[in-house]
Amino acid sequence: DGGITQSPKYLFRKEGQNVTLSCEQNLNHDAMYWYRQDPGQGLRLIYYSQIVNDFQKGDIAEGYSVSREKKESFPLTVTSAQKNPTAFYLCASSMRLGNQPQHFGDGTRLSIL
Amino acid sequence: GESVGLHLPTLSVQEGDNSIINCAYSNSASDYFIWYKQESGKGPQFIIDIRSNMDKRQGQRVTVLLNKTVKHLSLQIAATQPGDSAVYFCAENSSYKLIFGSGTRLLVRP
Repeated sequence: DGGITQSPKYLFRKEGQNVTLSCEQNLNHDAMYWYRQDPGQGLRLIYYSQIVNDFQKGDIAEGYSVSREKKESFPLTVTSAQKNPTAFYLCASSMRLGNQPQHFGDGTRLSIL
Repeated sequence: GESVGLHLPTLSVQEGDNSIINCAYSNSASDYFIWYKQESGKGPQFIIDIRSNMDKRQGQRVTVLLNKTVKHLSLQIAATQPGDSAVYFCAENSSYKLIFGSGTRLLVRP
């Protein structure tokens, strides 16, 4: 089945540690996105990528980094500089950037040990 | 409707009744809008979209209405079922990015 796969489903981070969240899609979509969702709130954009080897900061990029070396993959690293990383992280993709429905994975829940 | 903060507005409806979920969007230049459904612990699921050159669009049991004059979007669900219980988000496309509202929780009473 075509879709977006996020792993792991749950992740724990120690103080001062970087962690990487995986996002893979087999929809042949050019654009990919990372969002953060806090309890009872909507989604906020962290980073997005229009095409391979290109990515742009979203509204809350501080403390996060991404790479887009392959069309199918858009991993997100939560660095130690992100002081409040506990949240639900969602990856999405769309055929291209803008005016397109975005299709979401089932998220990774990150918690601090 | 939409609000900011930890306390999601909640709409409680009787099974079989119609539901109307409202959303106010912020940017008059937004040209594309989407409704998503999110169940607990899962990612948002696309329901229906509408472009700004339309006022109404219908899907299976769902209808989206767009009022650009007052920047208002609504989602109507016909014959609401227990499986419709979830949080519903509207999103507007602005400068190639989707901006999400904070959501409305729909509870369906048996």
